This record gives sequence, C-alpha cells and structure tokens, in this order.
Amino acid sequence: KAGVTQTPRYLIKTRGQQVTLSCSPISGHRSVSWYQQTPGQGLQFLFEYFSETQRNKGNFPGRFSGRQFSNSRSEMNVSTLELGDSALYLCASSLATGGTEAFFGQGTRLTVV
Amino acid sequence: GENVEQHPSTLSVQEGDSAVIKCTYSDSASNYFPWYKQELGKRPQLIIDIRSNVGEKKDQRIAVTLNKTAKHFSLHITETQPEDSAVYFCAAQYNAGNMLTFGGGTRLMVKP
Repeated sequence: KAGVTQTPRYLIKTRGQQVTLSCSPISGHRSVSWYQQTPGQGLQFLFEYFSETQRNKGNFPGRFSGRQFSNSRSEMNVSTLELGDSALYLCASSLATGGTEAFFGQGTRLTVV
Repeated sequence: GENVEQHPSTLSVQEGDSAVIKCTYSDSASNYFPWYKQELGKRPQLIIDIRSNVGEKKDQRIAVTLNKTAKHFSLHITETQPEDSAVYFCAAQYNAGNMLTFGGGTRLMVKP
C-alpha cells in the first residue's frame, strides 16, 4: 500500500511569489490535513479537507488556502510569500472519521528568500 | 480552541532507563490522544494512541496513561535504547474531524 506522497520535496521561492504544494493520500483515505512545522512554533494545523470540502481550519491568514479533488488529492497554496512562511509543510491522510491514525507524508521544505 | 502543553522540552536518559513525557490539554471535549515520533529528517510516525474511554494502553516498551479529570496524559518508555532518540509529539483531537493540536515536542536523547 503506497504511503502519503507530497510533491515537490523542496522549493525555493522569492518573497511576494506564490506556491502550490501537492499531497496524494493513501488509497481509500478521504481526509487530508495540512500542517506547518517550524523550529519555533512546532506543528501547527492549517486545514483539513474531506470530500472536497474544508472541514476544519486553523489560525492562519487568508494567504493560505487549499482544495481537495474528487480523487482525494489535495493542494495547498500560499500567496504573497513572506520570509516567515519558510517551513516544512506536512500533509496527513486519515480515514473519514476522527479518532484514527493520521499518516504523514515526508513533507515539502519551503524556503522563502 | 484546544491548547496542548508538553514537558519536558528535552530529556536525556541513560540507555536502559525509563523516560516519561507529560502533556496537558485544555478542552474537556478532546477524545483522542496520539503520540508521534519524529526522527531527524523524517516524517512523524504514530507510536501509540489512546481514546478517552480508556485509562491506559501498553504496547511492548511503550505505554500511555490518560487522566480525564486532570486533563493530562503521559508517555512512558521503558528500557530505553539509542534508537528511541527522536522528537516525540503528543496531540489531542476534540472534534468530529481529524484536526490535531500538537504539543511543542520533547527531544529525547538516549545515551549508550
């Protein structure tokens, strides 16, 4: 069974640009969540998508957005990049309901210069 | 919203000793509490989890205890080995979805 796949693995962008990250969940998993990991703030929840709908949203500015497609693949977009957006972005896939294991992808390392 | 605090932030033990990491949560509606291990440069991986209707769960050298009244839960690792060295995160989930609120992490170092 293939795991959670995130692309690309590494990205370098300039301030003001925008970026799109992709996540393919485990087959059969309908929930995809996104997290930002930084040394200072730890792991912070961005949003969760289930059946193409945003089910939960964290405390991030509107520059961070996402979507989910009918095949459960998800993308997140960050517009007008700031230096502080440099982080490891992790996505996690889960079965539909809560209380079950979240399987993480290897992450996308975003560096904003 | 939920808030999870985790202590200590770093923990150094001798190989063979036990290690204990503690977390407290704020929302009494939280009902699922997983623990993740993240080795350097790798993805977080679930090592054990517990649901709110259970007080304790054990899996070989790892155990988790939950005190719902006090709103805290702990990870216990016995007979630590160098390969246990990693960052450990506790988390809490309190709503119908899969949103996890993580603690700040504990860097565990097991000295041979």
